[in-house]
Amino acid sequence: DADVTQTPRNRITKTGKRIMLECSQTKGHDRMYWYRQDPGLGLRLIYYSFDVKDINKGEISDGYSVSRQAQAKFSLSLESAIPNQTALYFCATSDASGGADTQYFGPGTRLTVL
Amino acid sequence: EDQVTQSPEALRLQEGESSSLNCSYTVSGLRGLFWYRQDPGKGPEFLFTLYSAGEEKEKERLKATLTKKESFLHITAPKPEDSATYLCAVQARYSGGSNYKLTFGKGTLLTVNP
Repeated sequence: DADVTQTPRNRITKTGKRIMLECSQTKGHDRMYWYRQDPGLGLRLIYYSFDVKDINKGEISDGYSVSRQAQAKFSLSLESAIPNQTALYFCATSDASGGADTQYFGPGTRLTVL
Repeated sequence: EDQVTQSPEALRLQEGESSSLNCSYTVSGLRGLFWYRQDPGKGPEFLFTLYSAGEEKEKERLKATLTKKESFLHITAPKPEDSATYLCAVQARYSGGSNYKLTFGKGTLLTVNP
């Protein structure tokens, strides 16, 4: 089984709808992240959480919110989706216990906002 | 500000034709340099972490090396299944809890023809 899972894998929604993307991990890591990837712009950090009680904004958090329900679960919400939020969304985890904070990515969610 | 530049943007090889991908970086104190492989529509797959100049790591046909200004991903006798986008990222030694941050390059799209 995959260490980092994301649901749904694909989602098409309409402008103004609320949508939630979910991430679960079995790696036992404390740190979790949400990124979006757009062609030509690379990976950009939306939110990150170092533990259940610690949530922080990344470089592009406007229009998004998150919830850390447990050590293993981290959800991303779009309160009112807009077309420019169409992108690939990735969850990642890390444990920061080694020499560097290696991040491991999930399979991604392809989101289309019409 | 940390910066990562990958070259070339795209590389087309014949099966068995060895080559190298370049990752040039600027960072105020390197904590780690990471290589990932990403297949279309999928999440980045972790390959290597390099910590200091002179370090080398190998995995099958891939070998990553690191200097103070750049990293190379050498591909020896590539096969068509090595076709993917290869991403480089750096992590800096920040104070104040910011040492999780990854700065990604735009990637190199590698195509290996049979």
